[in-house]
Amino acid sequence: NAGVMQNPRHLVRRRGQEARLRCSPMKGHSHVYWYRQLPEEGLKFMVYLQKENIIDESGMPKERFSAEFPKEGPSILRIQQVVRGDSAAYFCASSPTMDTDTQYFGPGTRLTVL
Amino acid sequence: QKEVEQNSGPLSVPEGAIASLNCTYSDRVSQSFFWYRQYSGKSPELIMSIYSNGDKEDGRFTAQLNKASQYVSLLIRDSQPSDSATYLCAVKLTFGNEKLTFGTGTRLTIIP
Repeated sequence: NAGVMQNPRHLVRRRGQEARLRCSPMKGHSHVYWYRQLPEEGLKFMVYLQKENIIDESGMPKERFSAEFPKEGPSILRIQQVVRGDSAAYFCASSPTMDTDTQYFGPGTRLTVL
Repeated sequence: QKEVEQNSGPLSVPEGAIASLNCTYSDRVSQSFFWYRQYSGKSPELIMSIYSNGDKEDGRFTAQLNKASQYVSLLIRDSQPSDSATYLCAVKLTFGNEKLTFGTGTRLTIIP
């Protein structure tokens, strides 16, 4: 029973490029959450999605960041025109339903912006 | 005031002793509380969840919740070197607000 999958595990981008982070939730899970962990800081909520819907994006920066969870395929977190401050670990978590509190985390994508 | 506060540590505990980790939260309507363990360079792993006042035990781990004091703690009995990690306290508000709010974590080191 595969867990939450994220790819790539490590991503290096130069300033101004685009970063695309992918997350496949656990089988049977329809709720996806993205969190960001800056160096030496705690995890910060970014966005909560269900299939084809953004439910809560209160933690997303207003510019350059977007997320989607299409009917088919993984959830994608997209960062346009990356800056050095975007360097962080980006974690995806999933849960089966909204009634289930437990969120299971994927291994994360470590983004480095040069 | 931070929404979820933890002592950043590092907290050093001798092997075999009890490690006590503490967390306070600011929002009184918080309903669900979680402890995650995170090894360096790895993802958070759920250790315990607790929803009601009192104690909840699972193996060597005991979570304690006091909603009146807005305080949640994690006790680790018979601490092992493999328990050395950063422990993250996370809080979720009422139904319908699904995001987890995390503290910055307490770094625990078990000394052999």
